[in-house]
Amino acid sequence: KQEVTQIPAALSVPEGENLVLNCSFTDSAIYNLQWFRQDPGKGLTSLLLIQSSQREQTSGRLNASLDKSSGRSTLYIAASQPGDSATYLCAVSRTINFNKFYFGSGTKLNVKP
Amino acid sequence: NAGVTQTPKFQVLKTGQSMTLQCAQDMNHEYMSWYRQDPGMGLRLIHYSVGAGITDQGEVPNGYNVSRSTTEDFPLRLLSAAPSQTSVYFCASSYTFEDHNEQFFGPGTRLTVL
Repeated sequence: KQEVTQIPAALSVPEGENLVLNCSFTDSAIYNLQWFRQDPGKGLTSLLLIQSSQREQTSGRLNASLDKSSGRSTLYIAASQPGDSATYLCAVSRTINFNKFYFGSGTKLNVKP
Repeated sequence: NAGVTQTPKFQVLKTGQSMTLQCAQDMNHEYMSWYRQDPGMGLRLIHYSVGAGITDQGEVPNGYNVSRSTTEDFPLRLLSAAPSQTSVYFCASSYTFEDHNEQFFGPGTRLTVL
């Protein structure tokens, strides 16, 4: 079974800081990995999807990297803003039945003005 | 496009009552799924479907039923609600072909069972 871990569970940083969120998974036979943002009381918004053949994906101030061999992904947020405050979740799919995703429990980010 | 929609947004049930959570998508996605989200536990897969007429169990299927009669709709039925089913329920959809499995989520249904 695929286990997905996100550490730390919570993170508080001052505005403007660059930060890294971590995601680790136990089974390296992944198909791809997706990062989401969840605001309080809301659904999940897709941020980035990285295929297993890719090393990284970028969208604006966000950069996600993937290292399958070590079972890790990082989400880098540049020049953080108070509007980035949310819970960030990662989810991985396996090569067998790639539509099924396994989720971490998330990192709750607070960016202080 | 409305994307993935869910109704109701909030629901309170008494133990033993039954109800159906509705989910619909207008993106012509073959794959649809239901998750529950509990504090500190992330999202856990309840049931999923790869197309009309095809459903399968996820991690935590007990106490829930699903059916998929159309591509657009994927309702989740609670047969006899229990307090352990108090949770936030999310529906998601995606395409099934390779490199197009990005998941899109609905806004969720917050369910309380007394």
